Amino acid sequence: AQKITQTQPGMFVQEKEAVTLDCTYDTSDQSYGLFWYKQPSSGEMIFLIYQGSYDEQNATEGRYSLNFQKARKSANLVISASQLGDSAMYFCAMREGRSSGNTPLVFGKGTRLSVIA
Amino acid sequence: NAGVTQTPKFRILKIGQSMTLQCTQDMNHNYMYWYRQDPGMGLKLIYYSVGAGITDKGEVPNGYNVSRSTTEDFPLRLELAAPSQTSVYFCASSKPGLAGENEQFFGPGTRLTVL
Repeated sequence: AQKITQTQPGMFVQEKEAVTLDCTYDTSDQSYGLFWYKQPSSGEMIFLIYQGSYDEQNATEGRYSLNFQKARKSANLVISASQLGDSAMYFCAMREGRSSGNTPLVFGKGTRLSVIA
Repeated sequence: NAGVTQTPKFRILKIGQSMTLQCTQDMNHNYMYWYRQDPGMGLKLIYYSVGAGITDKGEVPNGYNVSRSTTEDFPLRLELAAPSQTSVYFCASSKPGLAGENEQFFGPGTRLTVL
C-alpha cells in the first residue's frame, strides 16, 4: 500500500490566487513527520515546510501553510498569493520516527503546479 | 557550508559499464540516502546509511552497491549498467531527531543515461 498519496497529477492556478495541493498518508506510527518539497524545472529539491505528528498547530512558513488533519491522515499544502515562480513539481513526504533514530523519507508521486498570469 | 555535493552532474554509460556516483556532505550528518527519480515520478529510496560502516537497502536496491567509510562520503556504485537505470540520482543527508522532524538536505542530482 502507498504510504503517501497525491491524487492531483497537475493543477493550474491563477497568479495571486491561493491553491491547495492534496496529500494523504498511511502509517500506524504515533510519531512521524510530514514534509513538502518543491522541485522546479532546474531539478533541485527545495524543502518548504514540516509538520510533526504531535504538533497541535498547523505549520506555516511565509506563503506556505500546511492543513494538517490527523484523524483524516491528510497534510495538504496551501500556497497563498501564487506567483509565477511557484510553478514546479511539489512532493509530499513522510518520515516515520522511531525512538532509536529516523527512517528515510517516503515520497508521493508529486503534483505539477502551473501558475497562470 | 557547501551542503550536499554530487559528482558528476551528467553521465552517459553504455550497457554493461560500471561507475560510481560520488556524494559528500559537510554538515556532519549521520544519515545519508540515495534516491532515484524516474521521469515524471517521485523519489524512490535505493540505499541509506545511519552512520559510518552501516548501510541498509531501500525500496529499489537491485543493481546498486554502497559503502560508508566516513561520515562525509556515501558513494553509490552501479555495476553492469542497464537501460532501466536511466534516471536522476539524488543524494541526501539529515541529522537524527525524535519524531522525524529533521529535513533531508538534497544534493543537486546526477542525470544518468544508459544506452
